[in-house]
Amino acid sequence: DQQVKQNSPSLSVQEGRISILNCDYTNSMFDYFLWYKKYPAEGPTFLISISSIKDKNEDGRFTVFLNKSAKHLSLHIVPSQPGDSAVYFCAASAGSNDYKLSFGAGTTVTVRA
Amino acid sequence: NAGVTQTPKFRVLKTGQSMTLLCAQDMNHEYMYWYRQDPGMGLRLIHYSVGEGTTAKGEVPDGYNVSRLKKQNFLLGLESAAPSQTSVYFCASAAGLAGAFDTQYFGPGTRLTVL
Repeated sequence: DQQVKQNSPSLSVQEGRISILNCDYTNSMFDYFLWYKKYPAEGPTFLISISSIKDKNEDGRFTVFLNKSAKHLSLHIVPSQPGDSAVYFCAASAGSNDYKLSFGAGTTVTVRA
Repeated sequence: NAGVTQTPKFRVLKTGQSMTLLCAQDMNHEYMYWYRQDPGMGLRLIHYSVGEGTTAKGEVPDGYNVSRLKKQNFLLGLESAAPSQTSVYFCASAAGLAGAFDTQYFGPGTRLTVL
């Protein structure tokens, strides 16, 4: 049973507009969340993270929002660029002494020129 | 600084054959992981290691074995390959900082096909 769910397999957005990727989780022990980006034929690369003590973390064009009560997080990309076309994975960890990450199935983002 | 490297990049096996996938990292990381990625499934943890000489089972360990004889290397073995093990395999490593949240760094992947 997947504890991290990304219910949208794909997202298409026009260049310059906002991309919003959603992620839901079921394990209330999760308290650290990450987003990874993956290009074809490459390994995932870390993009941004958020701890459960925060509800927002921003890094340049990327912002992650966390709603603990709803067990939901989202990644906003503003403005979207062609180089953002990739698969985005949401991942979660249950504490700083938990060595493992649980991943969602991924969302494929296509940025149209 | 190569980061995390994986050998080989591609491999085709026949059912019942065995093989070993090699992962190497040059970041002096304590933790290492093996994942498989299948369509619609995301990344699933096969086995992991929290230090040299240690290994532990992840979410989908059946049919795989691992060894961590040296800190920088993590080997994934398939003793008798099955078509269900056709997948893309990713290795990752993390620093293992006590009491800190860790980012995992991934290798480029190995695409394995079992006929």
